[in-house]
Amino acid sequence: QPVLTQSSSASASLGSSVKLTCTLSSGHSSYIIAWHQQQPGKAPRYLMRLEDSGSYNKGRGVPDRFSGSSSGADRYLTISNLQSEDEADYYCETWDSNTRVFGGGTKLTVL
Amino acid sequence: QVQLQESGPGLVKPSETLSLTCTVSGGSISSYYWSWIRQPPGRGLEWIGYIYYSGSASYNPSLKSRVTISLDTSKNQFSLKLNSVTAADTAVYYCARSYSSSPSDYWGQGTLVTVSS
Repeated sequence: QPVLTQSSSASASLGSSVKLTCTLSSGHSSYIIAWHQQQPGKAPRYLMRLEDSGSYNKGRGVPDRFSGSSSGADRYLTISNLQSEDEADYYCETWDSNTRVFGGGTKLTVL
Repeated sequence: QVQLQESGPGLVKPSETLSLTCTVSGGSISSYYWSWIRQPPGRGLEWIGYIYYSGSASYNPSLKSRVTISLDTSKNQFSLKLNSVTAADTAVYYCARSYSSSPSDYWGQGTLVTVSS
């Protein structure tokens, strides 16, 4: 089954941009993933579905500041014009026949 | 808009069975996969398993021997049973919806279950 690898933490300044990475394990580089945001004390929120082509579809109400891209086995989440409410944990998710997998999550700090 | 709500005991004794229910409102339980996902305090998300609206289920291999997920379409609910629990099963438990080969797009608010005597 696929494995998703994420950096444990990232930081960026208010108003700047940040690019988070989720890397698919060997043999799974074509997989579609999803990005989820989990603000402190809240449930995860679905952000977008991201294909290996870089094409993405966002969930309802997700701001334009959030975008996705792909390169090989890497899937990226870019957040532009960072706001204080973007400080959260970000998880990637993928799925295979009869299983679903989450990455370990990246804790984003907005400075 | 689809809403999911977990319910069940917040405290379970070691070696006993954890039982939770997720009630789906604002939409039908048909044509979707319904998952249970958990998050131990301060840690990441772990998929427990899912059930398809037809009744077929799939489980995380690490938990398979202890987990049962069932569906009650008449009540628009699905349930989780995790037996022989230990302190390591203490977590916030979430229910979530997904379509075939698609992301978990709707999540419940989560419920904390503590395993302690």
